[in-house]
Amino acid sequence: AQSVTQLDSHVSVSEGTPVLLRCNYSSSYSPSLFWYVQHPNKGLQLLLKYTSAATLVKGINGFEAEFKKSETSFHLTKPSAHMSDAAEYFCVVSDWTGNMLTFGGGTRLMVKP
Amino acid sequence: DVKVTQSSRYLVKRTGEKVFLECVQDMDHENMFWYRQDPGLGLRLIYFSYDVKMKEKGDIPEGYSVSREKKERFSLILESASTNQTSMYLCASSLGTVAGANVLTFGAGSRLTVL
Repeated sequence: AQSVTQLDSHVSVSEGTPVLLRCNYSSSYSPSLFWYVQHPNKGLQLLLKYTSAATLVKGINGFEAEFKKSETSFHLTKPSAHMSDAAEYFCVVSDWTGNMLTFGGGTRLMVKP
Repeated sequence: DVKVTQSSRYLVKRTGEKVFLECVQDMDHENMFWYRQDPGLGLRLIYFSYDVKMKEKGDIPEGYSVSREKKERFSLILESASTNQTSMYLCASSLGTVAGANVLTFGAGSRLTVL
């Protein structure tokens, strides 16, 4: 069985400062990992995915995440926050079939002007 | 782009009523899923289907059933709604052909309130 822990339920940053959203996972095999974003009153959208290729994964809107097997982490980062980044972010791990996805509890990112 | 359409954005039902939530996808995806989303709990899988008339229980199937009579349509049924089923319900679909890399496409969600 797999599990995901998002270490912060809320993160607040100022516009133009770096973003770090933390995610730890547990899996008994080589996982596939994802980050999804949900803007207010909108559906979830894929930000990026890791599937055992390069450990540093680049996504949309300047986000990236690094897979660290030794730390079982998949933290999401962005060098400079924008007001439009305010949303809820979900870290997700997939089972070996790719069909069963386990979601973390979510991190709400707030961006202050 | 794949489009996943949930027929109702907002519903208000009374305890004991039967509730149908409909979901349609238009890109011939094999897999379809129903999740519920609650604050602090993320998304939890209720049921999924990998083929017509096939279904598998997810993490929280109790109190729910599903129907997939056609490939593009996946329905979630609450036989007798209860107040603890007040939640946001999200439908999703995926190709289902490549293990380990299935990207979900989500609908906009159906917010159900049970009084």
